Amino acid sequence: SQQGEEDPQALSIQEGENATMNCSYKTSINNLQWYRQNSGRGLVHLILIRSNEREKHSGRLRVTLDTSKKSSSLLITASRAADTASYFCATYNNDMRFGAGTRLTVKP
Amino acid sequence: DTAVSQTPKYLVTQMGNDKSIKCEQNLGHDTMYWYKQDSKKFLKIMFSYNNKELIINETVPNRFSPKSPDKAHLNLHINSLELGDSAVYFCASSRLAGSYEQYFGPGTRLTVT
Repeated sequence: SQQGEEDPQALSIQEGENATMNCSYKTSINNLQWYRQNSGRGLVHLILIRSNEREKHSGRLRVTLDTSKKSSSLLITASRAADTASYFCATYNNDMRFGAGTRLTVKP
Repeated sequence: DTAVSQTPKYLVTQMGNDKSIKCEQNLGHDTMYWYKQDSKKFLKIMFSYNNKELIINETVPNRFSPKSPDKAHLNLHINSLELGDSAVYFCASSRLAGSYEQYFGPGTRLTVT
């Protein structure tokens, strides 16, 4: 069964704008991870945030985690056309559970 | 210098056939996985292997059988293929079993006609 649910399902923005994607989950977790999938390719790991962390940064990526609300957000700042991809959150608690992803389109 | 590789990339076959998908990782990881991604992009774990031992076996049909000849390989064999098996299958690996980040292969698009 799925664990994480991403919101929105699809997001379209202009280059240079920020993109925010949300993930909600239902059970307790050990950590939460975000992955990117370009069309026709495998998933690429972006960032991992542990259950005792609230915020992490990696380049233009900022991830927050609110365990009380069972939710996480991924912020991509100053987006580029190359950021066009599907973004998945995955929660880990004994095994990895993925959501259905948010399809991000960045228009040049 | 490919980290996780899969073959074939595309596989078109008829119902009832038996097929295999191969996966190899050169990262020295201890754990490997197989995922199925359906047409709605849901990614579901099927199996994982740690040091040749099956540690997760989701409720997949027993027509699917993972085979690991060594730590670097985890192949997926499918018997009596059905239309509903059409999907993209991804192999992945992680340094250890557990909550570590996973490295994915490029996927194998299986089409059953």
